[in-house]
Amino acid sequence: AQTVTQSQPEMSVQEAETVTLSCTYDTSESDYYLFWYKQPPSRQMILVIRQEAYKQQNATENRFSVNFQKAAKSFSLKISDSQLGDAAMYFCAYRGYNFGNEKLTFGTGTRLTIIP
Amino acid sequence: DTGVSQDPRHKITKRGQNVTFRCDPISEHNRLYWYRQTLGQGPEFLTYFQNEAQLEKSRLLSDRFSAERPKGSFSTLEIQRTEQGDSAMYLCASTGEGSIQYFGAGTRLSVL
Repeated sequence: AQTVTQSQPEMSVQEAETVTLSCTYDTSESDYYLFWYKQPPSRQMILVIRQEAYKQQNATENRFSVNFQKAAKSFSLKISDSQLGDAAMYFCAYRGYNFGNEKLTFGTGTRLTIIP
Repeated sequence: DTGVSQDPRHKITKRGQNVTFRCDPISEHNRLYWYRQTLGQGPEFLTYFQNEAQLEKSRLLSDRFSAERPKGSFSTLEIQRTEQGDSAMYLCASTGEGSIQYFGAGTRLSVL
């Protein structure tokens, strides 16, 4: 079974600075997807960024980028130019590649606080 | 595209009562997922549907839980004889042909 570990329960960053959230995972599969989801307080979970394991290039979405280290099974999220609206719980998630192996396995989350 | 809709948003019930939650996926999304999230934890998978077929159920889904997706559109999750341990946020997500799951706002269940 796959597992996802987020070792930072809480992080804080000054507005406009850069912060990196860590995630490691364990799997025996060679193809899979990794995701970062954001869950603001009392609001629904939204996708931040997605990485396909077969792609060596790290995914980027505007101020959000990942450092995907497949051999190390590491998948960190970097948020540049942090904004107050980035404050939320961030969840790292794993999904298998093949049909029938589509459920998401989540980590326990990192609560990100933005300091004005 | 109105997103994934869940109803009700909050449900308070007494122990032993039955509750039912509804999820309306994004239109034409053929796969629908249910997750449960307790305080301070990440969501945990419960079950998922491809159209009307329930393809996988987690061991977390005890005999008191049942999910349906008649006609492959909306889905319902029923919990019979609720227990205090059932208190959680119940999340629904849907996806089409891609890998991204889109989540609803969830139903928060409180069992007194």
